[in-house]
Amino acid sequence: QVQLVQSGAEVKKPGASVKVSCKASGYSFTTYDINWVRQVTGQGLEWMGWMNPNSGNTGYAQKFQGRVTITRNTSINTAYMELSSLRSEDTAVYYCARFHSGSGRGNWFDTWGQGTLVTVSS
Amino acid sequence: DIQLTQSPSSLSASVGDRVTITCRASQSISSSLNWYQQKPGKAPNLLIYAASNLQSGVPSRFSGSGSGTDFTLTISSLQPEDYATYYCQQSYSTPQTFGQGTKLEIK
Repeated sequence: QVQLVQSGAEVKKPGASVKVSCKASGYSFTTYDINWVRQVTGQGLEWMGWMNPNSGNTGYAQKFQGRVTITRNTSINTAYMELSSLRSEDTAVYYCARFHSGSGRGNWFDTWGQGTLVTVSS
Repeated sequence: DIQLTQSPSSLSASVGDRVTITCRASQSISSSLNWYQQKPGKAPNLLIYAASNLQSGVPSRFSGSGSGTDFTLTISSLQPEDYATYYCQQSYSTPQTFGQGTKLEIK
């Protein structure tokens, strides 16, 4: 079945970087964009950016421009999200999600990873 | 950015009740509106896509409607497993945005 499996929880100090992985299985990895969404504990969902695994093209939310980088390794069907210059406010669960194109009806996140908790603390 | 406002923010209801959650967009988004259910400690799960289409495997008691700026998610007969937080999300334009969530609790 279609599945996204993320790497484990991380604890980082302020100013450091974190790189979270998202391994896809059950479908052709290069066919669907991968997006990243984060959720601060007890709060809502915040979109961070997207990547086309086929071309490597990316796009980022303005809030994270300059701090976030999304990459991929197509040989192992894995996407990565790296966030730099971490601060305490970046403590959150980070999700990858497969982006399904609806051919004119919009798009939607039809499959999500299980989430990765990133804790930023001195 | 397109703002999505959900109402109510929280809701108490009993098993068997009919429940409606609304989502209003700050500008027209055609039918590019999706609904997700999230349970504590779990990732969101897609319920409805493109405003009114039921995702495969989702019970038929869930339905969605609307277009333009006003959308609704309806649960026709609430079941115990439906207690969760519900989010709307627009894909009309980048950045993708989500509503603030509606927490559905047991009455």
